[in-house]
Amino acid sequence: EVQLVESGGGLVQPGGSLRLSCVASGFTFSTYWMTWVRQAPGKGLEWVASIKQDGSEIYYVDSVKGRFTISRDNAENSMSLQMNSLRAEDTALYYCARSFPRIGWLSQYWGQGTLVTVSS
Amino acid sequence: DIVMTQSPDSLAVSLGERATINCKSSQSVLYRSNNKNYLGWYQQKTGQPPKLLIYWASTRESGVPDRFSGSGSGTDFTLTISSLQAEDVAVYYCQQYYTTPVTFGGGTKVEIK
Repeated sequence: EVQLVESGGGLVQPGGSLRLSCVASGFTFSTYWMTWVRQAPGKGLEWVASIKQDGSEIYYVDSVKGRFTISRDNAENSMSLQMNSLRAEDTALYYCARSFPRIGWLSQYWGQGTLVTVSS
Repeated sequence: DIVMTQSPDSLAVSLGERATINCKSSQSVLYRSNNKNYLGWYQQKTGQPPKLLIYWASTRESGVPDRFSGSGSGTDFTLTISSLQAEDVAVYYCQQYYTTPVTFGGGTKVEIK
């Protein structure tokens, strides 16, 4: 059974940093693209970033470029999102998602999410 | 960026009746070399993560009931629930995975009339 478990969310002040983690199990982690998608309270879905199987390709939404860094550790079956210079508009539930086989940017399995709140 | 526009924002349908959700992309998501539309549909129930229903615009994900169907090509797509069940109450999103940034529609809330 595919499982994705996010952690690391919490309350942080504007300008602060947070590191989210996603631990995967139930599949061969190193063979799938992985993605972060966020959802602000009461709002729709927003793609944040995706990383290729070997980390050789990484893509971000413009609003987080230069502030967020996605990475993965295939030996540990984990993915991370380092978030710096956080803003109020980054407040959201952050989901970790695994791609569909051979369709890198389509998310087939999702975790339950970890909540990030940016507020003073 | 490809803008995904869904309509309506919400709809209320009687149990057993048809629900139709539209999704329009600002540019084509049809990849000519393989004739595939890079368009997916998700269902999100309250308090849950999204669930993939449809990919390649019309292929049902494994385990998805056949009352869910997707259609369309190029820039215009439709998700149809042929006979609405109580468990189908949710918000539905379309998503293009043709190019980055990956983009989602704004969502359509489906309720029981």
